[in-house]
Amino acid sequence: KNQVEQSPQSLIILEGKNCTLQCNYTVSPFSNLRWYKQDTGRGPVSLTIMTFSENTKSNGRYTATLDADTKQSSLHITASQLSDSASYICVVSAYTGGGNKLTFGTGTQLKVEL
Amino acid sequence: EPEVTQTPSHQVTQMGQEVILRCVPISNHLYFYWYRQILGQKVEFLVSFYNNEISEKSEIFDDQFSVERPDGSNFTLKIRSTKLEDSAMYFCASNLAGANTGELFFGEGSRLTVL
Repeated sequence: KNQVEQSPQSLIILEGKNCTLQCNYTVSPFSNLRWYKQDTGRGPVSLTIMTFSENTKSNGRYTATLDADTKQSSLHITASQLSDSASYICVVSAYTGGGNKLTFGTGTQLKVEL
Repeated sequence: EPEVTQTPSHQVTQMGQEVILRCVPISNHLYFYWYRQILGQKVEFLVSFYNNEISEKSEIFDDQFSVERPDGSNFTLKIRSTKLEDSAMYFCASNLAGANTGELFFGEGSRLTVL
């Protein structure tokens, strides 16, 4: 069964600090891995998409890494801001030749405080 | 910037009533989706729609659910007889190249509360 596990479940950091969120997956056959940011009560917004051949991708202060061998990914947030407070969701896509096989993680709830 | 829009933002209904949630996907997108998120839980896939027909659906998407693209712009999710457990945030999403490739754009969601 395809699964995506994220850790930690929640995290509180001070503004300006860095943090790293983890994602482990057992999705096969692997197509790509995405990180989304979801503000409370809003729709998810894409941060990065990585395919099998990519092991790092950046989007501003967000940097995602992927180790397809160990089936792990991380999202590193640099110099956190109050507006980074949100749920960060790891989503893994299984290649099926068509259709939708996205498996969502439960997310890491990040709170950035002064 | 183009965006996926959803209406209503919040709907309260009595158990057993029919509900229609509406979505306007991004205009040049070809693939459309409905997801739901029960409060405090992860996002779950309901259905994907391409070329005016369902391309895939999950176990959640039973006979009580249907989707339609009635006029080439709107994409609707109908729940025929709502149950308490249908209470959730429903997200519409769309993209150009199918869910396995390319960015998926989500709407802001429709919160459904079944009493």
